[in-house]
Amino acid sequence: TQLLEQSPQFLSIQEGENLTVYCNSSSVFSSLQWYRQEPGEGPVLLVTVVTGGEVKKLKRLTFQFGDARKDSSLHITAAQPGDTGLYLCAGAQKLVFGQGTRLTINP
Amino acid sequence: DVKVTQSSRYLVKRTGEKVFLECVQDMDHENMFWYRQDPGLGLRLIYFSYDVKMKEKGDIPEGYSVSREKKERFSLILESASTNQTSMYLCASSGTSGRVHEQFFGPGTRLTVL
Repeated sequence: TQLLEQSPQFLSIQEGENLTVYCNSSSVFSSLQWYRQEPGEGPVLLVTVVTGGEVKKLKRLTFQFGDARKDSSLHITAAQPGDTGLYLCAGAQKLVFGQGTRLTINP
Repeated sequence: DVKVTQSSRYLVKRTGEKVFLECVQDMDHENMFWYRQDPGLGLRLIYFSYDVKMKEKGDIPEGYSVSREKKERFSLILESASTNQTSMYLCASSGTSGRVHEQFFGPGTRLTVL
């Protein structure tokens, strides 16, 4: 069974700080997606990474896929209150979701 | 703008009732999914469908069934609701052509079974 472990499960930091959240597995994935979910809403796709070592940037968010395609990280620079939410990673072939990192950015 | 809609945002039902959750997508997507989301457990796949009238069991299909009579509509049915089915239910859809794993989600239905 493919499993994705996200860490930390909870993170609360001050506005302006940097942070990194992780998504790890012992399985190899053909691609990995990151989603953000706000309270009362469904997850929204942020990015897909496909190639080992790939780095993608979305404004202040930087996503990296591990060389072996077993893990990924999300780095946020100068976090803002609007970044608050539940961040989920999901890996394919058989789509599996991590349990999420609940991020709170305090003004 | 792509859109996945779910019939109810909040639903309260009694144990033993038959419950229908409806999902409609306007993106002409082939694939549709039903998940439940519980704290600390992430999203767990109940059923998915890759074509009209086709369905596949996910990781936790027990107690649920699905129906896909039209491409845009995917229904989740709780045959006899139980309290352990209290959860957030999320519907999603995705296309093909190499992007099958990029899912678009509806807003969710928070179901409470009393």
